[in-house]
Amino acid sequence: DAGVTQSPTHLIKTRGQQVTLRCSPKSGHDTVSWYQQALGQGPQFIFQYYEEEERQRGNFPDRFSGHQFPNYSSELNVNALLLGDSALYLCASSLEDGDFLYEQYFGPGTRLTVT
Amino acid sequence: AQSVTQLGSHVSVSEGALVLLRCNYSSSVPPYLFWYVQYPNQGLQLLLKYTSAATLVKGINDFEAEFKKSETSFHLTKPSAHMSDAAEYFCAVSVSGAGSYQLTFGKGTKLSVIP
Repeated sequence: DAGVTQSPTHLIKTRGQQVTLRCSPKSGHDTVSWYQQALGQGPQFIFQYYEEEERQRGNFPDRFSGHQFPNYSSELNVNALLLGDSALYLCASSLEDGDFLYEQYFGPGTRLTVT
Repeated sequence: AQSVTQLGSHVSVSEGALVLLRCNYSSSVPPYLFWYVQYPNQGLQLLLKYTSAATLVKGINDFEAEFKKSETSFHLTKPSAHMSDAAEYFCAVSVSGAGSYQLTFGKGTKLSVIP
């Protein structure tokens, strides 16, 4: 059973550019969340997708956007990159079941460096 | 809004000694609580979770945590540290109910194990 996969593993971009990160959830999971982990910090919630809609969003600007596809995979897009966007971006998947939040399973992350 | 405070950004223990990592949470409603471990250049792995059942929660690799509502704490313990336990540990909180699906993480505690 494949876990959560993310691509690419590493990425180097220049300020002002745009980037797309990809995530495939664990088999059977229908919900994808994205987190940003700056160096030496805990992960911070960016947003969550369920049924191809953004369900909840953290305190991130509109430069951060996403998408969920019918097969539950997801993309995170960041426009107009800033140096401060350099971080490890983590994707987590979970299974929606009524009001309960089952544990989130994390992928290995994409390390984004903005120069 | 919920929050997590992890006391001690760095904890060192001798191999075979007790591991105690501290976590205090703030939440206006009953929380779900989680401990995750992160090895260098990897994603997060769930160690254990509290979801309002038993207050003493057992996880993988002999880790356990006790939910103490009166102290708003969820400290992580392990009776005997192994070298392989050296990693960064994150406590996280989430709350039940529609619209509250994000995990809020602490800043993490780096555990070093001295041979």
